Amino acid sequence: DGGITQSPKYLFRKEGQNVTLSCEQNLNHDAMYWYRQDPGQGLRLIYYSQIVNDFQKGDIAEGYSVSREKKESFPLTVTSAQKNPTAFYLCASSITGTSSHEQYFGPGTRLTVT
Amino acid sequence: AQSVTQLGSHVSVSEGALVLLRCNYSSSVPPYLFWYVQYPNQGLQLLLKYTTGATLVKGINGFEAEFKKSETSFHLTKPSAHMSDAAEYFCAVSEGGGSEKLVFGKGMKLTVNP
Repeated sequence: DGGITQSPKYLFRKEGQNVTLSCEQNLNHDAMYWYRQDPGQGLRLIYYSQIVNDFQKGDIAEGYSVSREKKESFPLTVTSAQKNPTAFYLCASSITGTSSHEQYFGPGTRLTVT
Repeated sequence: AQSVTQLGSHVSVSEGALVLLRCNYSSSVPPYLFWYVQYPNQGLQLLLKYTTGATLVKGINGFEAEFKKSETSFHLTKPSAHMSDAAEYFCAVSEGGGSEKLVFGKGMKLTVNP
């Protein structure tokens, strides 16, 4: 089955620690995205990548970093500089160069930092 | 810049009643519009999308939406609510200008009462 996997489903960390969230897709999509979701705030774009070895900041990139070394993988690191990292994180992917613009989402990772 | 407005954050209906979730958008280019559904602690699933052509779009689970350019609206409806429709619903618009990014509304939580 094609799809997007995110692991782990739940993640707990102590304040001051960096943590990396995994996102893998086997849809052969060029573009991948990371969103943060907080209650009542919808989805906010953290980073996105339209091609391997290239990525751009979204609306709330401060305190986060990403890499895109493989087409299938787009890991997100939440650094200790992120002031309020506890949230639900969603990864998505899409085909590029078509009129669709539809994004496919993974199941999400809920990060709790104490 | 593109934007999406979903007025209110919560709507409650009785089982069997009409579901109407409102979405208004702002776009400087012909928009691509989307409705996604999210069940608790899960990722987003595409309900339906409008790109071009017929303005009444039918989606999964009996939902449909009508694109009204004059009203800059893309409201989501379902004639008869089912308990399983209880979820959060997000409207999104493509950013346009060659970008693959989507801009999401803040979401609407739908409760279905027996």
